[in-house]
Amino acid sequence: QKEVEQNSGPLSVPEGAIASLNCTYSDRGSQSFFWYRQYSGKSPELIMSIYSNGDKEDGRFTAQLNKASQYVSLLIRDSQPSDSATYLCAVNEGNTPLVFGKGTRLSVIA
Amino acid sequence: DAGITQSPRHKVTETGTPVTLRCHQTENHRYMYWYRQDPGHGLRLIHYSYGVKDTDKGEVSDGYSVSRSKTEDFLLTLESATSSQTSVYFCAISESGQITDTQYFGPGTRLTVL
Repeated sequence: QKEVEQNSGPLSVPEGAIASLNCTYSDRGSQSFFWYRQYSGKSPELIMSIYSNGDKEDGRFTAQLNKASQYVSLLIRDSQPSDSATYLCAVNEGNTPLVFGKGTRLSVIA
Repeated sequence: DAGITQSPRHKVTETGTPVTLRCHQTENHRYMYWYRQDPGHGLRLIHYSYGVKDTDKGEVSDGYSVSRSKTEDFLLTLESATSSQTSVYFCAISESGQITDTQYFGPGTRLTVL
């Protein structure tokens, strides 16, 4: 059974701070990694995908992947109250559907 | 917007009744998925499809069946609904035709089984 683990939170950060969200996965063969954001009562929406070790930046968001440690993270710089949401990590290995973590709830305090 | 719609958006039904949820996409994506989302459990895959009449089970398929007679429609049926199937159901597609690729989600259906 492939597992994707996330701290459920809530993670509380002050406005303007960096929020760090973490995800670990069990399958060493995993190849594709995704971060989704989900506002309460809404569907998940893609923030970023990452496929190679290292960092990938998109605006205020940076995804970091370390396949040796089976670890993927999402950094949100200059956090805003509008970033308050649940963040889902998803991982894919080979020819199988994505496996989602249970999500981390982020609260950005103004 | 991946052109995914779900119907109905909300439904209340009684235990033992059959229920069918519909997912419709407009862009001929090969892969379609049904998930349920419950507090404390996250998103769990029910069934997925990789083409017309081609489907496979996911993590929580018991009590659910699916059908895909047209590329654009993927139906999820609860043959005899139970209270444990009260949940929010999301449909999703893989954008590029690869199961490994990014998934985009529909707006969801909130189902309550009394």
